[in-house]
Amino acid sequence: NAGVTQTPKFQVLKTGQSMTLQCAQDMNHEYMSWYRQDPGMGLRLIHYSVGAGITDQGEVPNGYNVSRSTTEDFPLRLLSAAPSQTSVYFCASSFTGQGQPQHFGDGTRLSIL
Amino acid sequence: GNSVTQMEGPVTLSEEAFLTINCTYTATGYPSLFWYVQYPGEGLQLLLKATKADDKGSNKGFEATYRKETTSFHLEKGSVQVSDSAVYFCALNQAGTALIFGKGTTLSVSS
Repeated sequence: NAGVTQTPKFQVLKTGQSMTLQCAQDMNHEYMSWYRQDPGMGLRLIHYSVGAGITDQGEVPNGYNVSRSTTEDFPLRLLSAAPSQTSVYFCASSFTGQGQPQHFGDGTRLSIL
Repeated sequence: GNSVTQMEGPVTLSEEAFLTINCTYTATGYPSLFWYVQYPGEGLQLLLKATKADDKGSNKGFEATYRKETTSFHLEKGSVQVSDSAVYFCALNQAGTALIFGKGTTLSVSS
């Protein structure tokens, strides 16, 4: 069982470039989300989805787009990368019932120069 | 809005010492409460959880009790090991949606 798979693990971009962070899960979870982790800030929610075709913004959505065309995949797009988006990005998934724990991927470490 | 506050780190202990990491929360209703652990270079792993008042979550020697009267979910372990060195996050959610995290507490255990 692969769980939550994120690719790539590391990426360096130049300011203004675009890229997509991939996230896939094989647990048939309805709920998927993206977080960014910055020193001293904990994890902050970027976008989330409660099912295929449904997405919504979290705490820090600016500069990021998402889509959810299938249950399994939830890619995160940076349209025009900025140095402030340098961070570690985590994808998570879960069932939607009360108390269901979220399962995390191993993260993507992104540096914007 | 909902929020989680956990004690500032880093916490530095000797092996076999007693560990407490404080966590308090603000939320309406009855959230579910979680502790996650992050080892260096890895993602977050669920350590334990509690879904209603007075529930005690436990795993790998760690325990935390859901205290609604004090809105707390403190993490404890009776005897820490070097392998427990990690960052610990307290978190809550409601209705099975987004987790709200504390800022994390770094634990370093020396032999």
